[in-house]
Amino acid sequence: EVQLVESGGGLVKPGGTLRLSCATSGFTFRTHTMSWVRQAPGKGLEWVSSISSNGGYIYYADSVKGRFTISRDNAKESLFLQMNNLRAADTGVYYCAGSPGGDRVWFDPWGQGTLVTVSS
Amino acid sequence: DIQMTQSPSSLSASVGDRVTITCRASQSINSYLNWYQQRPGKAPRLLIYSASNLQSGVPLTFSGSGSGTDFTLTISSLQPEDFATYYCHQSYTTPYTFGQGTKLEIK
Repeated sequence: EVQLVESGGGLVKPGGTLRLSCATSGFTFRTHTMSWVRQAPGKGLEWVSSISSNGGYIYYADSVKGRFTISRDNAKESLFLQMNNLRAADTGVYYCAGSPGGDRVWFDPWGQGTLVTVSS
Repeated sequence: DIQMTQSPSSLSASVGDRVTITCRASQSINSYLNWYQQRPGKAPRLLIYSASNLQSGVPLTFSGSGSGTDFTLTISSLQPEDFATYYCHQSYTTPYTFGQGTKLEIK
């Protein structure tokens, strides 16, 4: 069974930090591009960041560039998102998602999400 | 950035109806277009990838078409579990972008 389980979300003050984790199983993690996608309360989906299968290519949305860092550990089949200098606009549910390797990217499978709330 | 515009933003329909949702890209994205379904409180679910390919396990009532800038998602016969929000997503280039969503409600 394919599983992606996010953790690390919570309530943090503006300017604070959080580290999200996504533990996976049931698929070939090491061959998948992995991504973080977020959703503000009551809003649509927003892509945050992606990392290629070997970590050699990393991309960020402009809204998080310089503040967030994506990483992965293929041996532990896990994905991470270090979030620094958090803002109220970063509030939302953060999903990790995989994409099969290749130049075409689509998000499947998905985790259940972890809620990040940035508020004083 | 490539802007993705879905229409309509909301739609009321009945079980058994045929519905079509459109997605327009602000520039050509070839066929780098995916569709997702999201039910309340749940993670999105991939329905269609590369414009017209049905993801494994997705009912045959779902289909996708289009290329370039204009795309459609069609549900040929609505089932009760299909009432949800639908998003298109371009993966032609980063930043990957989503449409604003189409909320499909029961009439």
